[in-house]
Amino acid sequence: QQQVKQSPQSLIVQKGGISIINCAYENTAFDYFPWYQQFPGKGPALLIAIRPDVSEKKEGRFTISFNKSAKQFSLHIMDSQPGDSATYFCAASEDNDMRFGAGTRLTVKP
Amino acid sequence: DSGVTQTPKHLITATGQRVTLRCSPRSGDLSVYWYQQSLDQGLQFLIQYYNGEERAKGNILERFSAQQFPDLHSELNLSSLELGDSALYFCASSPRTGWYNEQFFGPGTRLTVL
Repeated sequence: QQQVKQSPQSLIVQKGGISIINCAYENTAFDYFPWYQQFPGKGPALLIAIRPDVSEKKEGRFTISFNKSAKQFSLHIMDSQPGDSATYFCAASEDNDMRFGAGTRLTVKP
Repeated sequence: DSGVTQTPKHLITATGQRVTLRCSPRSGDLSVYWYQQSLDQGLQFLIQYYNGEERAKGNILERFSAQQFPDLHSELNLSSLELGDSALYFCASSPRTGWYNEQFFGPGTRLTVL
């Protein structure tokens, strides 16, 4: 069963624009929400992560917004660059398990 | 380069066969995680070992097993292979156990079952 739903499946943004990827989860026991970036032919790499006790976390051009009551969280990429073109995965974990969203393929056009 | 190594890079085998994938974690990392990435199922957590002990279990099939050795390298054994087992298998490592610790992923092993 899909416990983490991610949208959109693909996203095309102009250079300098804002990329927004959304995720929703079902299991209220999840207590850690990372985002991973994956380039073709490479393994995923942790981009940014948040715990449910905060509503927002910012690292450089990347921001996670977290809405605990709605069970939703999103990744915002400000000033998107062609080098940001990759697949992004949201995830949610609890004690003994981590579940991933289906991924969003982001293309940033120059 | 994450510092995590996986061998082999590619593996082609037939249905019904058994294969072993190997992972060497970053120096000093005690936790090893295994993941499967396929077009059908996406990215799935399979199993975690910490300092030789199984710590967490995800969507790992009974036909699959893993272990972590005293030198901390890990092996994922896949048996009675089916076409649907074709996927990228990633290993990741982190210094300690717990999802809060950043995991560093290896380059993956691409398994093709014919």
